[in-house]
Amino acid sequence: DGGITQSPKYLFRKEGQNVTLSCEQNLNHDAMYWYRQDPGQGLRLIYYSQIVNDFQKGDIAEGYSVSREKKESFPLTVTSAQKNPTAFYLCATVAGNNEQFFGPGTRLTVL
Amino acid sequence: QKEVEQDPGPLSVPEGAIVSLNCTYSNSAFQYFMWYRQYSRKGPELLMYTYSSGNKEDGRFTAQVDKSSKYISLFIRDSQPSDSATYLCAMSATGGFKTIFGAGTRLFVKA
Repeated sequence: DGGITQSPKYLFRKEGQNVTLSCEQNLNHDAMYWYRQDPGQGLRLIYYSQIVNDFQKGDIAEGYSVSREKKESFPLTVTSAQKNPTAFYLCATVAGNNEQFFGPGTRLTVL
Repeated sequence: QKEVEQDPGPLSVPEGAIVSLNCTYSNSAFQYFMWYRQYSRKGPELLMYTYSSGNKEDGRFTAQVDKSSKYISLFIRDSQPSDSATYLCAMSATGGFKTIFGAGTRLFVKA
Protein backbone atom coordinates (compact mmCIF):
# COMPACT_ATOMS: atom_id res chain seq x y z
CA ASP A 1 0.00 0.00 0.00
CA GLY A 2 3.14 2.15 0.14
CA GLY A 3 2.17 5.34 1.94
CA ILE A 4 -1.33 5.67 0.49
CA THR A 5 -4.32 5.12 2.75
CA GLN A 6 -7.95 4.90 1.75
CA SER A 7 -10.91 4.83 4.07
CA PRO A 8 -13.28 3.31 4.69
CA LYS A 9 -12.48 -0.14 3.34
CA TYR A 10 -16.19 -0.88 2.85
CA LEU A 11 -18.96 1.68 2.37
CA PHE A 12 -22.68 1.31 1.89
CA ARG A 13 -24.80 4.01 0.29
CA LYS A 14 -28.53 4.43 0.29
CA GLU A 15 -30.42 5.78 -2.69
CA GLY A 16 -30.15 9.58 -2.94
CA GLN A 17 -27.23 9.80 -0.54
CA ASN A 18 -23.87 11.44 -1.11
CA VAL A 19 -20.81 9.65 0.29
CA THR A 20 -17.17 10.70 0.50
CA LEU A 21 -14.18 8.41 0.07
CA SER A 22 -10.92 9.44 1.68
CA CYS A 23 -7.46 9.20 0.14
CA GLU A 24 -4.31 10.32 1.95
CA GLN A 25 -0.66 9.99 0.88
CA ASN A 26 2.71 10.64 2.48
CA LEU A 27 4.82 10.01 -0.63
CA ASN A 28 5.11 13.73 -1.40
CA HIS A 29 3.79 13.12 -4.91
CA ASP A 30 2.13 16.04 -6.67
CA ALA A 31 -0.26 13.99 -8.83
CA MET A 32 -3.18 12.01 -7.47
CA TYR A 33 -5.78 10.02 -9.36
CA TRP A 34 -9.12 8.31 -8.71
CA TYR A 35 -10.13 5.18 -10.61
CA ARG A 36 -13.17 3.00 -10.64
CA GLN A 37 -12.79 -0.76 -11.17
CA ASP A 38 -15.65 -2.96 -12.33
CA PRO A 39 -15.34 -6.69 -13.12
CA GLY A 40 -13.88 -7.29 -16.57
CA GLN A 41 -13.45 -3.58 -17.36
CA GLY A 42 -10.07 -2.67 -15.95
CA LEU A 43 -9.52 0.72 -14.36
CA ARG A 44 -11.42 3.77 -15.53
CA LEU A 45 -10.26 7.27 -14.67
CA ILE A 46 -12.72 9.44 -12.73
CA TYR A 47 -10.69 12.55 -11.79
CA TYR A 48 -7.05 13.49 -11.49
CA SER A 49 -5.08 16.30 -9.93
CA GLN A 50 -1.60 17.35 -10.99
CA ILE A 51 -1.19 19.96 -8.26
CA VAL A 52 -2.92 21.42 -5.21
CA ASN A 53 -6.09 23.42 -5.95
CA ASP A 54 -6.31 22.05 -9.48
CA PHE A 55 -8.05 18.95 -10.83
CA GLN A 56 -9.36 17.63 -14.14
CA LYS A 57 -12.18 15.35 -15.21
CA GLY A 58 -11.29 11.89 -16.36
CA ASP A 59 -13.28 9.59 -18.62
CA ILE A 60 -16.22 8.96 -16.28
CA ALA A 61 -16.52 12.08 -14.07
CA GLU A 62 -20.32 12.40 -14.18
CA GLY A 63 -21.84 11.93 -10.74
CA TYR A 64 -18.54 12.43 -8.92
CA SER A 65 -16.77 15.44 -7.40
CA VAL A 66 -13.34 16.00 -5.87
CA SER A 67 -11.29 18.61 -4.05
CA ARG A 68 -7.55 19.09 -3.65
CA GLU A 69 -6.98 21.56 -0.82
CA LYS A 70 -3.86 19.82 0.47
CA LYS A 71 -1.06 17.95 -1.28
CA GLU A 72 -1.63 14.93 0.94
CA SER A 73 -5.37 14.58 0.44
CA PHE A 74 -7.69 13.98 -2.53
CA PRO A 75 -11.21 13.04 -1.35
CA LEU A 76 -13.81 11.73 -3.80
CA THR A 77 -17.53 12.37 -3.33
CA VAL A 78 -19.97 10.02 -5.00
CA THR A 79 -23.15 12.04 -5.45
CA SER A 80 -26.73 10.90 -5.86
CA ALA A 81 -26.38 11.74 -9.55
CA GLN A 82 -24.18 8.66 -10.00
CA LYS A 83 -26.79 6.05 -10.86
CA ASN A 84 -24.60 2.96 -10.70
CA PRO A 85 -22.00 3.62 -7.98
CA THR A 86 -21.40 0.03 -6.84
CA ALA A 87 -17.73 -0.60 -7.62
CA PHE A 88 -14.20 -0.82 -6.22
CA TYR A 89 -12.61 2.65 -5.99
CA LEU A 90 -8.86 3.08 -6.16
CA CYS A 91 -6.77 6.13 -5.39
CA ALA A 92 -3.28 6.45 -6.85
CA THR A 93 -0.33 8.80 -6.81
CA VAL A 94 2.07 9.23 -9.69
CA ALA A 95 5.84 9.54 -9.55
CA GLY A 96 7.78 11.65 -12.02
CA ASN A 97 8.41 8.72 -14.39
CA ASN A 98 4.69 7.88 -14.73
CA GLU A 99 4.83 5.05 -12.19
CA GLN A 100 1.52 4.83 -10.36
CA PHE A 101 1.20 3.69 -6.77
CA PHE A 102 -2.18 2.53 -5.52
CA GLY A 103 -3.98 2.57 -2.23
CA PRO A 104 -5.81 -0.48 -0.85
CA GLY A 105 -9.18 0.59 -2.29
CA THR A 106 -12.71 1.22 -1.04
CA ARG A 107 -15.56 -1.08 -1.98
CA LEU A 108 -18.78 0.89 -2.32
CA THR A 109 -22.14 -0.86 -2.41
CA VAL A 110 -25.48 0.80 -3.01
CA LEU A 111 -28.32 -0.56 -0.92
CA GLN B 1 -11.38 -0.85 -30.62
CA LYS B 2 -9.94 -0.41 -27.14
CA GLU B 3 -6.54 1.28 -26.84
CA VAL B 4 -5.26 -1.70 -24.84
CA GLU B 5 -6.44 -5.27 -25.29
CA GLN B 6 -5.80 -7.96 -22.69
CA ASP B 7 -7.27 -11.45 -22.54
CA PRO B 8 -9.23 -11.69 -19.27
CA GLY B 9 -8.63 -15.44 -18.89
CA PRO B 10 -8.88 -17.14 -16.50
CA LEU B 11 -5.56 -18.83 -17.07
CA SER B 12 -4.93 -21.95 -15.01
CA VAL B 13 -1.47 -23.56 -14.82
CA PRO B 14 0.26 -26.15 -12.62
CA GLU B 15 2.87 -25.06 -10.10
CA GLY B 16 6.29 -24.67 -11.70
CA ALA B 17 4.96 -23.79 -15.16
CA ILE B 18 6.13 -20.83 -17.21
CA VAL B 19 3.33 -18.30 -17.59
CA SER B 20 3.02 -15.88 -20.49
CA LEU B 21 0.71 -12.88 -20.18
CA ASN B 22 0.22 -10.47 -23.06
CA CYS B 23 -1.28 -7.16 -24.11
CA THR B 24 -1.64 -5.43 -27.46
CA TYR B 25 -2.12 -1.73 -27.96
CA SER B 26 -2.94 0.69 -30.75
CA ASN B 27 -1.35 4.01 -29.71
CA SER B 28 2.20 4.28 -31.05
CA ALA B 29 2.88 7.20 -28.67
CA PHE B 30 3.03 4.89 -25.64
CA GLN B 31 6.54 4.83 -24.19
CA TYR B 32 6.04 3.66 -20.59
CA PHE B 33 4.89 0.10 -20.02
CA MET B 34 3.94 -1.40 -16.68
CA TRP B 35 2.65 -4.64 -15.21
CA TYR B 36 0.66 -4.65 -12.00
CA ARG B 37 -0.37 -7.59 -9.81
CA GLN B 38 -3.67 -7.35 -7.98
CA TYR B 39 -4.81 -9.79 -5.33
CA SER B 40 -8.52 -10.10 -4.64
CA ARG B 41 -9.98 -7.03 -2.89
CA LYS B 42 -6.59 -5.27 -2.81
CA GLY B 43 -5.05 -2.39 -4.68
CA PRO B 44 -2.73 -3.15 -7.64
CA GLU B 45 1.01 -3.29 -6.90
CA LEU B 46 3.64 -2.42 -9.48
CA LEU B 47 5.60 -5.47 -10.66
CA MET B 48 7.56 -4.32 -13.67
CA TYR B 49 8.25 -0.98 -15.31
CA THR B 50 9.82 -0.59 -18.74
CA TYR B 51 10.61 2.46 -20.79
CA SER B 52 10.43 2.04 -24.59
CA SER B 53 11.38 -1.31 -26.16
CA GLY B 54 13.39 -4.20 -24.83
CA ASN B 55 13.46 -6.71 -22.02
CA LYS B 56 13.65 -6.32 -18.28
CA GLU B 57 14.19 -9.10 -15.80
CA ASP B 58 13.52 -9.14 -12.05
CA GLY B 59 13.81 -12.49 -10.32
CA ARG B 60 11.22 -14.86 -11.79
CA PHE B 61 9.59 -12.07 -13.83
CA THR B 62 10.57 -10.87 -17.30
CA ALA B 63 8.85 -8.04 -19.15
CA GLN B 64 9.19 -7.66 -22.90
CA VAL B 65 8.13 -4.75 -25.09
CA ASP B 66 7.93 -4.98 -28.89
CA LYS B 67 6.95 -1.54 -30.09
CA SER B 68 7.06 -2.52 -33.75
CA SER B 69 4.29 -5.04 -33.12
CA LYS B 70 2.62 -2.99 -30.35
CA TYR B 71 2.82 -6.03 -28.11
CA ILE B 72 3.99 -6.45 -24.53
CA SER B 73 4.49 -9.59 -22.48
CA LEU B 74 5.10 -10.65 -18.91
CA PHE B 75 6.72 -14.04 -18.28
CA ILE B 76 6.63 -15.74 -14.90
CA ARG B 77 9.08 -18.59 -14.42
CA ASP B 78 8.63 -21.37 -11.86
CA SER B 79 5.13 -20.15 -11.07
CA GLN B 80 3.92 -20.51 -7.49
CA PRO B 81 0.41 -20.67 -5.96
CA SER B 82 1.17 -17.26 -4.44
CA ASP B 83 1.33 -15.87 -8.00
CA SER B 84 -2.42 -16.47 -8.31
CA ALA B 85 -3.82 -12.99 -8.91
CA THR B 86 -5.05 -10.66 -11.62
CA TYR B 87 -2.31 -9.12 -13.76
CA LEU B 88 -2.93 -5.73 -15.32
CA CYS B 89 -0.88 -4.23 -18.10
CA ALA B 90 -0.70 -0.44 -18.28
CA MET B 91 0.92 2.11 -20.56
CA SER B 92 1.28 5.83 -21.04
CA ALA B 93 2.84 8.37 -23.35
CA THR B 94 5.64 10.81 -22.61
CA GLY B 95 4.13 13.96 -21.12
CA GLY B 96 0.73 12.32 -20.93
CA PHE B 97 -1.40 12.54 -17.82
CA LYS B 98 -3.36 9.38 -18.45
CA THR B 99 -2.32 5.79 -17.99
CA ILE B 100 -4.35 3.27 -19.94
CA PHE B 101 -4.97 -0.08 -18.26
CA GLY B 102 -5.84 -3.43 -19.72
CA ALA B 103 -8.82 -5.27 -18.28
CA GLY B 104 -6.55 -7.71 -16.44
CA THR B 105 -5.87 -11.45 -16.78
CA ARG B 106 -6.84 -13.73 -13.89
CA LEU B 107 -4.16 -16.32 -13.21
CA PHE B 108 -4.56 -19.44 -11.10
CA VAL B 109 -1.49 -21.51 -10.20
CA LYS B 110 -2.45 -24.94 -8.91
CA ALA B 111 -0.31 -26.68 -6.27
